[in-house]
Amino acid sequence: DSGVTQTPKHLITATGQRVTLRCSPRSGDLSVYWYQQSLDQGLQFLIQYYNGEERAKGNILERFSAQQFPDLHSELNLSSLELGDSALYFCASSATPRTGITDTQYFGPGTRLTVL
Amino acid sequence: GENVEQHPSTLSVQEGDSAVIKCTYSDSASNYFPWYKQELGKGPQLIIDIRSNVGEKKDQRIAVTLNKTAKHFSLHITETQPEDSAVYFCAADAGGTSYGKLTFGQGTILTVHP
Repeated sequence: DSGVTQTPKHLITATGQRVTLRCSPRSGDLSVYWYQQSLDQGLQFLIQYYNGEERAKGNILERFSAQQFPDLHSELNLSSLELGDSALYFCASSATPRTGITDTQYFGPGTRLTVL
Repeated sequence: GENVEQHPSTLSVQEGDSAVIKCTYSDSASNYFPWYKQELGKGPQLIIDIRSNVGEKKDQRIAVTLNKTAKHFSLHITETQPEDSAVYFCAADAGGTSYGKLTFGQGTILTVHP
């Protein structure tokens, strides 16, 4: 158990809908990362937040957005869902980043999103 | 951006044999190279990592080697056990101001036969 929690475990929805995935980082970790894992694209970095501020962005679609709240939990919002958005979504967390140094990232168990 | 290539995509070994997985990366500014193990239905679990100021690191049956000049790094598992069966991913961080961002290889499915 990494200490990172994600809810829900599974989510089934229809095309065009909007969903919210939730992540709680390990105790004391200030950085949260979101990744998407699909069969064709592999594990891809979406976005990173540090202490409430966006720090780095990957290939995140405009239909997707995220935020980190004052209690450090994070939410990933996916809207206008398409069949191709079906994937596993992982959250990871790491300790306070040192400038220029990538800290160890600990992954949660993931949310499996199925878009029908 | 960073590109990470991982080989082989599948690896089958007998219990007790060694397993080697290799990765190459493209961004010479990368400094951090973790390896993750992912079991079915679970999130990736860090098994070992190495930073660019180190050439080799060991943790019991697992070792990682890094060649920064050639831009490749490898995972070595000795005395494999059936519970080592899983998907293994290598990753490299991004250089510059996006240093927290990890780019992952496509994964290696390791099967250890009893």
